[in-house]
Formats: sequence, C-alpha cells, structure tokens
Amino acid sequence: GAVVSQHPSRVICKSGTSVKIECRSLDFQATTMFWYRQFPKQSLMLMATSNEGSKATYEQGVEKDKFLINHASLTLSTLTVTSAHPEDSSFYICSARDGLSGNTIYFGEGSWLTVV
Amino acid sequence: KQEVTQIPAALSVPEGENLVLNCSFTDSAIYNLQWFRQDPGKGLTSLLLIQSSQREQTSGRLNASLDKSSGRSTLYIAASQPGDSATYLCAVSWSNYQLIWGAGTKLIIKP
Repeated sequence: GAVVSQHPSRVICKSGTSVKIECRSLDFQATTMFWYRQFPKQSLMLMATSNEGSKATYEQGVEKDKFLINHASLTLSTLTVTSAHPEDSSFYICSARDGLSGNTIYFGEGSWLTVV
Repeated sequence: KQEVTQIPAALSVPEGENLVLNCSFTDSAIYNLQWFRQDPGKGLTSLLLIQSSQREQTSGRLNASLDKSSGRSTLYIAASQPGDSATYLCAVSWSNYQLIWGAGTKLIIKP
C-alpha cells in the first residue's frame, strides 16, 4: 500500500483563490520532503526541499511567497498555492525521505490542479 | 550539471513486441535510478528501483538495467500489451537525495 498519501488527487479552484495540497508519510518519519511540479509534456521539476521544523529551500525561479510550504511535523508537509492563476494549473507531486531506513524516498500519487 | 535524458520522446509499437526504453545521465556517481509510469491524468507509479551497486532489477515483464560507467539505463518490456501504454519516466538520485527527472517516453501499444 501507499506509504505517502497526497491529498487531494484532483482539485479545481477559481483564479485568485488559494489551494492547499497535503503530503503525509504513513509509516515513517519523513525528515525531508520534496515538492515537484510537472507541466504538460515536460519533466517533473523540483520546486522546493523542506526539512521538518525549518524553512523550505526553494529552487531558482520558484516564488516562495506564492508557493507556501509548511513542514511542521515529521509526517506532514503542505503546499499552498496562493492567489492561484490559470498558469499554475499543473501536476504537483511530493516525495518523502525516510531518514531512518536507508534514506529511501517514497512518492505521493500526485495532485492535479486546475485553476479556472 | 546533472541531467537526465530519455530517448525517444515517443514510441508506438504493435502489441506483443518486446521493446526498450532508454535513459541516460551525465554524472555516474549516482545513488539510485528509478523508473516510473504515468498514466494520463493520473499520478506516478513506481516500477523499478536500481541501487547504484546493482546492475538490474526485474518485475514481471519489466527489466531495468543500469550501467553507471556509460551513464545509461534501459527499461525492457517483454510481450507488450495495450495496457502498457503510458508515459515512462526515468529519475536519478545523486548525493543530495533529490531526483532529477527525464522528460519521459510516451509509449503507445497498438492492438
């Protein structure tokens, strides 16, 4: 079964609103979580890396004030897309590293965001 | 710069054929390499994970090989079926644990 749960799997929101995506590790403590974004016909691109209890590290070109990442516990990280615009419509996926078990990385199933 | 390249970008073959998907990477000092499947409008499914110390992994009709010295991995699909139609992604992990992804190969199996 899934060891990383990502929710919601699909979400449609109106332009200008905010939407939150959750990423939970189910059976392990995720010391590090990664958020990726994939535009149509492109590869997944890393948006940010978050370590539990500290601020996320954003990749170049990713607006930290627009894509708020919170990693407040060892089992939960959230990505909030603020003031969403149609160009934010994309596939967002998280992954979590099990630091206590060989640093294996597990992936969530992803979230499809459509901004209308 | 660490990069992952997948060729071809798209592939269409008749049902029943064996096929090979290619993935190349620029830095041989990898931690591991993974192959994923992505169906349209759906999430990712992990297919095979090869650690840097391994040369291949098998799961059912799938076989993934790894040649670090040449910076290549192949995904071999035997006796292809229409249900195998999807985009196949290769992702490589280096020392910082983040994955670098290829752009994927869109595979269509014709009945």
